Amino acid sequence: KAGVTQTPRYLIKTRGQQVTLSCSPISGHRSVSWYQQTPGQGLQFLFEYFSETQRNKGNFPGRFSGRQFSNSRSEMNVSTLELGDSALYLCASRSGSSYNEQFFGPGTRLTVL
Amino acid sequence: AQTVTQSQPEMSVQEAETVTLSCTYDTSENNYYLFWYKQPPSRQMILVIRQEAYKQQNATENRFSVNFQKAAKSFSLKISDSQLGDTAMYFCAFPGGSQGNLIFGKGTKLSVKP
Repeated sequence: KAGVTQTPRYLIKTRGQQVTLSCSPISGHRSVSWYQQTPGQGLQFLFEYFSETQRNKGNFPGRFSGRQFSNSRSEMNVSTLELGDSALYLCASRSGSSYNEQFFGPGTRLTVL
Repeated sequence: AQTVTQSQPEMSVQEAETVTLSCTYDTSENNYYLFWYKQPPSRQMILVIRQEAYKQQNATENRFSVNFQKAAKSFSLKISDSQLGDTAMYFCAFPGGSQGNLIFGKGTKLSVKP
């Protein structure tokens, strides 16, 4: 099976712009979670989508949003970018159970100038 | 609040030696899983080992094993016969929240020296 893929791998934006990141889960996985990784805050949970519905949400402002399509692919959008949004954004998929292993993608490195 | 603490920001070990990475956590749940993930410089997060809290036997995966102390809420990772390819960030994590999103520790940067 192909692994989790994320596009693009690298992205440079300026403050105030918006950005959309994409994640394709492992075939058959219906759950997609997004995490933000920064040197200061470490890995923080953004949100999870399951069968096109947001199932869980972390403590991030409304500028961070996402969606999931019928083929389980997910997109994450950040509007009005701030310098502090510079981070590695990781996507993870799993088959659905709370305790199933999460498989991670290679991440998208977002730099906000 | 559910938390995960890794008290060793950095560690180093000589090739072929054994190293233990520490992790403590706090949860009010009784049944849960605990995970150790490895993130090499390539950034791909990879599951190293998983422990089911209701199992008393410590999990083992080849050179990787855990010492799980449920009462103490401790979950350490032992790497035996360390190899250069083990150089990476190691994160301890467990599913927090009602739907199992992962809560991660801050990580331990492990360097294996030749």
